[in-house]
Amino acid sequence: SQTIHQWPATLVQPVGSPLSLECTVEGTSNPNLYWYRQAAGRGLQLLFYSVGIGQISSEVPQNLSASRPQDRQFILSSKKLLLSDSGFYLCASRAAAREKLFFGSGTQLSVL
Amino acid sequence: AQSVTQPDIHITVSEGASLELRCNYSYGATPYLFWYVQSPGQGLQLLLKYFSGDTLVQGIKGFEAEFKRSQSSFNLRKPSVHWSDAAEYFCAVVPRAGGTSYGKLTFGQGTILTVHP
Repeated sequence: SQTIHQWPATLVQPVGSPLSLECTVEGTSNPNLYWYRQAAGRGLQLLFYSVGIGQISSEVPQNLSASRPQDRQFILSSKKLLLSDSGFYLCASRAAAREKLFFGSGTQLSVL
Repeated sequence: AQSVTQPDIHITVSEGASLELRCNYSYGATPYLFWYVQSPGQGLQLLLKYFSGDTLVQGIKGFEAEFKRSQSSFNLRKPSVHWSDAAEYFCAVVPRAGGTSYGKLTFGQGTILTVHP
């Protein structure tokens, strides 16, 4: 099975500061990778997904960006954080030939 | 438009009572169907999934779900709830084939379950 490493677990950042959340995957090759966000009181929202190195699809217009510099590394970034970027961010991975989705432990981001 | 809906945002039950969490979907063809649970401070955990075959699916922790094509529903049930079942539950779908949504997991809004002793 896959193991998803996601860090940091908790992050408090001032408005206007940059952001970099990292996710790495073990146990599979060439996975489909996803970034989700759960804002307070709402369900999970898909932000980005990637089917391969350098291939990023954005689901919603926003202040964030994603990159996949290596096969099992997925990074969520922002140049300048907004208050509305606060939330719980989940990285997820799915092996190309299967449907089961594996999740990281998440990052709780508070923008103040 | 394609969507997955969990009508109940918050459900409260007493320990030992039965539970049913609703999930409805709107897709041209029946998607793959999943139920996930997120306990406080933990990541999402897969409870069960439906791909095809028997419409009553057994999952972990004593949960089951029934797929009803005529109602486009995939409701989660448990005969007797335990206090440790308190968590947020997500219904999710993956379209089977075709279009830009193929293979992408889409979650419902989630249902928060509170269990009273």
